Amino acid sequence: DTAVSQTPKYLVTQMGNDKSIKCEQNLGHDTMYWYKQDSKKFLKIMFSYNNKELIINETVPNRFSPKSPDKAHLNLHINSLELGDSAVYFCASSQDLPEWAQETQYFGPGTRLLVL
Amino acid sequence: GQNIDQPTEMTATEGAIVQINCTYQTSGFNGLFWYQQHAGEAPTFLSYNVLDGLEEKGRFSSFLSRSKGYSYLLLKELQMKDSASYLCAVGDSNYQLIWGAGTKLIIKP
Repeated sequence: DTAVSQTPKYLVTQMGNDKSIKCEQNLGHDTMYWYKQDSKKFLKIMFSYNNKELIINETVPNRFSPKSPDKAHLNLHINSLELGDSAVYFCASSQDLPEWAQETQYFGPGTRLLVL
Repeated sequence: GQNIDQPTEMTATEGAIVQINCTYQTSGFNGLFWYQQHAGEAPTFLSYNVLDGLEEKGRFSSFLSRSKGYSYLLLKELQMKDSASYLCAVGDSNYQLIWGAGTKLIIKP
């Protein structure tokens, strides 16, 4: 069984389009995250939700909107895609809040987004 | 600003030992993580240090010195499957993980 799953794995689209990436975890975790990993391999936190509530919202364009219908799902919708949005997007989850600093994060397989 | 520094790439020989260093400057400190990321795959957890000293876990050990803002990951008895990127990440004062760019480790026979 896959612990953290993301769909789609690959996404190639035109500039200006709107797309969504879905994430689901079956670990029973309370906290979920979205990260962006750029071509230089830096992982940057975008959003974090705990029990469906937004707790971390980094400075990302408001074209990115996360939605958590329940604590097992955290989807990412992107409007008006731009060339610079091309990256790998990772979903992750942890048992509890980041304040429990030793919380290990479990990552999904990533979604490779290419904007043409 | 917040900064995590790691070497970009290292090469080692199968069966040998390699040490990957990480230095950090963050606003606050709430633990340091090491993750392994194989090419095209997701990061996976290796170790967590919050107190000074060495944590050993099989072939992998991780060391932390908070006063020096320094950690290293030690890999012993290297295997070809250890070829991967190793990411250092530090929890800052807001408990957010600040990630390094990772060290690409190449293992040669």
